[in-house]
Amino acid sequence: DSGVTQTPKHLITATGQRVTLRCSPRSGDLSVYWYQQSLDQGLQFLIQYYNGEERAKGNILERFSAQQFPDLHSELNLSSLELGDSALYFCASSVAGTLSSYNEQFFGPGTRLTVL
Amino acid sequence: QQPVQSPQAVILREGEDAVINCSSSKALYSVHWYRQKHGEAPVFLMILLKGGEQKGHEKISASFNEKKQQSSLYLTASQLSYSGTYFCGTVSNFGNEKLTFGTGTRLTIIP
Repeated sequence: DSGVTQTPKHLITATGQRVTLRCSPRSGDLSVYWYQQSLDQGLQFLIQYYNGEERAKGNILERFSAQQFPDLHSELNLSSLELGDSALYFCASSVAGTLSSYNEQFFGPGTRLTVL
Repeated sequence: QQPVQSPQAVILREGEDAVINCSSSKALYSVHWYRQKHGEAPVFLMILLKGGEQKGHEKISASFNEKKQQSSLYLTASQLSYSGTYFCGTVSNFGNEKLTFGTGTRLTIIP
């Protein structure tokens, strides 16, 4: 158990819908990272927040957005869902806000999203 | 671009050694290694920074050749628990906070 929690564990929805994925980082961690893992794309970095502020952006679609709240939990919002959005979504947390040091990430168990 | 890992898959008997390679087309500042078991989250193994310093745990080691933009993960005397998919993640320069994961290497250890 990494100490990172994600809810829900599974989510099944239809195309065109909107969903919210939630992540609670480990106690004391200020950074939250979101990743998408699909069979054809592998593990893709989406976005990072550090202490409430957006720190880095990866291959995140405009239909997707995220935020980190004062209690440091984070939410990833996915809207106008398409079949291709079906994937495993992981969040990870770390103490520091930078990857330019020994900053290991602890991954949550993931949310499996299925878009029908 | 995504770092390329080799081999894509390997099957070993318990006790044998394995080397997993990660190659990038970009200059690298750091390389991060993770292992993911089927249906589970990736788990941190090792970080290697430009300059040769590294931090990790478990009975593994790794190298980082900055000039060749490559890293290798060495698993010695493999155990059944080493099975899983290994990913390298690369950071291209200091201050760049994007971790780009490689294509993955599936390692299967058989008794």
